Amino acid sequence: AQSVTQLGSHVSVSEGALVLLRCNYSSSVPPYLFWYVQYPNQGLQLLLKYTSAATLVKGINGFEAEFKKSETSFHLTKPSAHMSDAAEYFCAVSDRTGTASKLTFGTGTRLQVTL
Amino acid sequence: NAGVTQTPKFRILKIGQSMTLQCTQDMNHNYMYWYRQDPGMGLKLIYYSVGAGITDKGEVPNGYNVSRSTTEDFPLRLELAAPSQTSVYFCASSLVRQGGYEQYFGPGTRLTVT
Repeated sequence: AQSVTQLGSHVSVSEGALVLLRCNYSSSVPPYLFWYVQYPNQGLQLLLKYTSAATLVKGINGFEAEFKKSETSFHLTKPSAHMSDAAEYFCAVSDRTGTASKLTFGTGTRLQVTL
Repeated sequence: NAGVTQTPKFRILKIGQSMTLQCTQDMNHNYMYWYRQDPGMGLKLIYYSVGAGITDKGEVPNGYNVSRSTTEDFPLRLELAAPSQTSVYFCASSLVRQGGYEQYFGPGTRLTVT
């Protein structure tokens, strides 16, 4: 069975500081990996995805993530936080087998950005 | 192109009542999903569908039913509502093809059972 673990349910950074949100996955087959963002009272929006092309994936709003097979990690980063980045972030994994593309989500990390 | 739409946005139910959460997508996606989101728990898959007429259980199907008579619609039925079903419900859809299976989410329905 596949799973993801997000380390840190809450992360607080100052505006302009580096954002680092951690995600480790467990999968018996090469996975697809995703980061989603959820703003208050909204649905989830895709930030970026890894599908076995480049290991460094660039997404929207200046975010990027690097797939590291040796560390089973897919951490999300942004060089300089902005107030508008405050939201909840979910890492998700999908395997490539079976007939349905089911996602398994992590428990989420709430990002707070302070002045 | 509205994407994935859900109605209602909010609902309060009494214990034992029933209701249907509506979900419609206009992207001609073949796959559709229902999730529930509880605080600190991430999203849990309730049911999913790989096409019209085909549905299957997810991780937490008890107390729910679904149907998929058209590509666009995927309603979720709650029978005999219980306080444990208080949650935020999200519908999602995806066009499954080689290269990644990203899902597109609706805005959610916040349900309270008292």
